[in-house]
Amino acid sequence: GDSVTQMEGPVTLSEEAFLTINCTYTATGYPSLFWYVQYPGEGLQLLLKATKADDKGSNKGFEATYRKETTSFHLEKGSVQVSDSAVYFCALSDHRGFQKLVFGTGTRLLVSP
Amino acid sequence: EAGVAQSPRYKIIEKRQSVAFWCNPISGHATLYWYQQILGQGPKLLIQFQNNGVVDDSQLPKDRFSAERLKGVDSTLKIQPAKLEDSAVYLCASSLDKGVEQYFGPGTRLTVT
Repeated sequence: GDSVTQMEGPVTLSEEAFLTINCTYTATGYPSLFWYVQYPGEGLQLLLKATKADDKGSNKGFEATYRKETTSFHLEKGSVQVSDSAVYFCALSDHRGFQKLVFGTGTRLLVSP
Repeated sequence: EAGVAQSPRYKIIEKRQSVAFWCNPISGHATLYWYQQILGQGPKLLIQFQNNGVVDDSQLPKDRFSAERLKGVDSTLKIQPAKLEDSAVYLCASSLDKGVEQYFGPGTRLTVT
């Protein structure tokens, strides 16, 4: 079945450092890809998405590019802030049926001042 | 607009007891989802409703879990009897329709002792 693999955390960075969180997927067909973020005590929020190969999703300084050839959707940000500390989930939905989300295990990001 | 509401936020029960969780989706959202998020894992879809009908409950342990969405608005997820392995955060999400952005509630953290 479909699956998502993320790098394990926690990822610990200093403020203004460059961030990469790796995500690869296995799916039949051509899924849509998502990054969700979960801040402490809050629900999951959609951060960005891409629906086809070579699409780039971006939001709040975060970017991710849908790479079909490497089945990847790595999350990047040029300069992280303390407020970016959260758990980040990569997810996919297929284009069949009702497009349910399949999530990775999540990567915790800790940013120190 | 108000987000997805869930209650209670926390619940501690002993194994073999029963428990119920409540979710009120965003007004007008036709699709409602229940996810189970075990510590260290990504959310896993348990059941999806379209209005008051079930469209996917393939991963719901039906011998102990049940869910309903009367009148196509709020929903209740029940576990009876609970097992230790049911300890998790139960997330409710809703979307305007199937296949579009899902909005998540804050979750209910269940501890089974």
